[in-house]
Amino acid sequence: EAQVTQNPRYLITVTGKKLTVTCSQNMNHEYMSWYRQDPGLGLRQIYYSMNVEVTDKGDVPEGYKVSRKEKRNFPLILESPSPNQTSLYFCASSPMDRGGIYGYTFGSGTRLTVV
Amino acid sequence: AQSVTQPDIHITVSEGASLELRCNYSYGATPYLFWYVQSPGQGLQLLLKYFSGDTLVQGIKGFEAEFKRSQSSFNLRKPSVHWSDAAEYFCAVGGRGNTPLVFGKGTRLSVIA
Repeated sequence: EAQVTQNPRYLITVTGKKLTVTCSQNMNHEYMSWYRQDPGLGLRQIYYSMNVEVTDKGDVPEGYKVSRKEKRNFPLILESPSPNQTSLYFCASSPMDRGGIYGYTFGSGTRLTVV
Repeated sequence: AQSVTQPDIHITVSEGASLELRCNYSYGATPYLFWYVQSPGQGLQLLLKYFSGDTLVQGIKGFEAEFKRSQSSFNLRKPSVHWSDAAEYFCAVGGRGNTPLVFGKGTRLSVIA
């Protein structure tokens, strides 16, 4: 089944403890992206990647890192999480053109709580 | 840069009633337009999309949307709402070339008996 898989689904952590949220897609998509979703603010893009070893900042990149060493994986790294990073995170992928006519396929989300 | 406005934050409809969710976009050329649905605890699922041709597009779960260039709108409709349609709905706009999708802030739909 074609899908984007995120892990974990739920995570509670403490301030300052490094964490990684994994994202993997099995559709051979070039484009991958991370969003956070907060009440009243909708979806905001954190980082995106056009292909392997090509990443760029989205609208809210502060406090996050990403890497794209393989086409299928696009992990989101929080080196020193803070409570304002408590949010619902989504990974998305697309065949090309940052969406274009295909739109995005989304993962099921990761609910992160930083205490 | 493109933008999307969903004027209604929250809508409540009765089961069996018709539904229309509004979406207005801003984009300098012919846009690609999408509606996504997010059920509680789930990711976003593509309902339908428009990129050319017939301005009335059909999607999954009995939804349809109409592209009106003159009004810069892409409203989502359903003739008879089911309780399972309760969810958050997002409109998104994209374009040709290196243009990312831009999402609206979403409309939450509640369905009452």
